[in-house]
Amino acid sequence: KAGVTQTPRYLIKTRGQQVTLSCSPISGHRSVSWYQQTPGQGLQFLFEYFSETQRNKGNFPGRFSGRQFSNSRSEMNVSTLELGDSALYLCASSLDGITEAFFGQGTRLTVV
Amino acid sequence: QKEVEQDPGPLSVPEGAIVSLNCTYSNSAFQYFMWYRQYSRKGPELLMYTYSSGNKEDGRFTAQVDKSSKYISLFIRDSQPSDSATYLCAMSTASGGSYIPTFGRGTSLIVHP
Repeated sequence: KAGVTQTPRYLIKTRGQQVTLSCSPISGHRSVSWYQQTPGQGLQFLFEYFSETQRNKGNFPGRFSGRQFSNSRSEMNVSTLELGDSALYLCASSLDGITEAFFGQGTRLTVV
Repeated sequence: QKEVEQDPGPLSVPEGAIVSLNCTYSNSAFQYFMWYRQYSRKGPELLMYTYSSGNKEDGRFTAQVDKSSKYISLFIRDSQPSDSATYLCAMSTASGGSYIPTFGRGTSLIVHP
């Protein structure tokens, strides 16, 4: 079956702009989590959505937001981009947020 | 101090060596312990998943958890060049109906022929 699909794979944005990243989970998976990965901080949890509701949230500023649609697809938005937002953004899906999570290949965001 | 500490390496070993990767943690509430492997330009993939203290074996991989010492390890026997990747430990506890993992920063492993 198809894995977790993230689009786009690469993105270059200018400081101050906003960006929207997309994640299509594995069919049947209702939990979608987002992570930011940087060399300095590693993998950090952003938020988790389950059945269109944000169930958990990490320690990131309000510029980072997300949503989940009725088909479980999820989007993540970052407003007023800063240079420090340059990172690999990973999405992971699981059936219920308890069983194994499968990661997508990520979106590499570069802010210039 | 981060909740999960992991030496970033790199760790360079010859093919066939036994590899030992380790993490320490400070949060005694962690219940589940995982190891992920991440190849360059790919997302992490789950290798091992364990709940209790003790050892769990899967092929060439053995995961070890010592809750009393807050220390987990991953051993790779007969290491291969294809094992070259970044290995991330992760641990989780229940939160709002799900288990959100806290990751270590990852150890870069290089297995040379």
